[in-house]
Amino acid sequence: DIVMTQSPDSLAVSLGERATINCKSSQSVLYTSNNKNYLAWYQQKPGQPPKLLIHSASTRESGVPDRFSGSGSGTDFTLTISSLQAEDVAVYYCQQYYTTPYSFGQGTKLAIK
Amino acid sequence: EVQLVESGGVLVQPGGSLRLSCAASGFTFSSFAMSWVRQAPGKGLEWVSTISHSGGSTYYADSVKGRFTMSRDNPKSTLYLQMNSLRAEDTAVYYCAGTGTYNRGDWFDPWGQGTLVTVSS
Repeated sequence: DIVMTQSPDSLAVSLGERATINCKSSQSVLYTSNNKNYLAWYQQKPGQPPKLLIHSASTRESGVPDRFSGSGSGTDFTLTISSLQAEDVAVYYCQQYYTTPYSFGQGTKLAIK
Repeated sequence: EVQLVESGGVLVQPGGSLRLSCAASGFTFSSFAMSWVRQAPGKGLEWVSTISHSGGSTYYADSVKGRFTMSRDNPKSTLYLQMNSLRAEDTAVYYCAGTGTYNRGDWFDPWGQGTLVTVSS
């Protein structure tokens, strides 16, 4: 099974500053036949279901602000929020869909400093 | 508008059974694999099961294998999760989610609002 590990568990960033969340998979999620990383990022606000932000490690979902970006390949990935806004306070999860059992990171709680 | 609406979550005793439903609208349900993902109170997300677009293949987390059965009725655009031999650790909000089709990968989108299952005596 692929284990997803996020760091840090929680993060406090000032408004307008950059926030960076890391995600590491226990084995590669790069599908070599199409050179795509099977890695997604979700945002979850209190009392709401998760919302897809990014798939294929770096493809932003339609309607997601461009301050959100994803990078990385193989086993190491990063979600970056370039300029934190108040509405970005949430828990963020990475998830691999390379193989079942699909697995999520433990989540990173993002707050305003 | 794309919509997934879960129902069936209630308080049930340990060892009991329950069937969750998820009604889909606004997209071609029969083209999508579908999944259930759960979230225990105050905890993270846990994948539970996935069913292929036709219903011919199902996949389960070890934690529910042999106890939960996922099915779908494509003409009714409805997804089901039959939950048997329920345990306290099955207490969670259960979300249904779209999970890939012929031209996209198996990320989870869209998501329903969730239904709460509480297993307690």
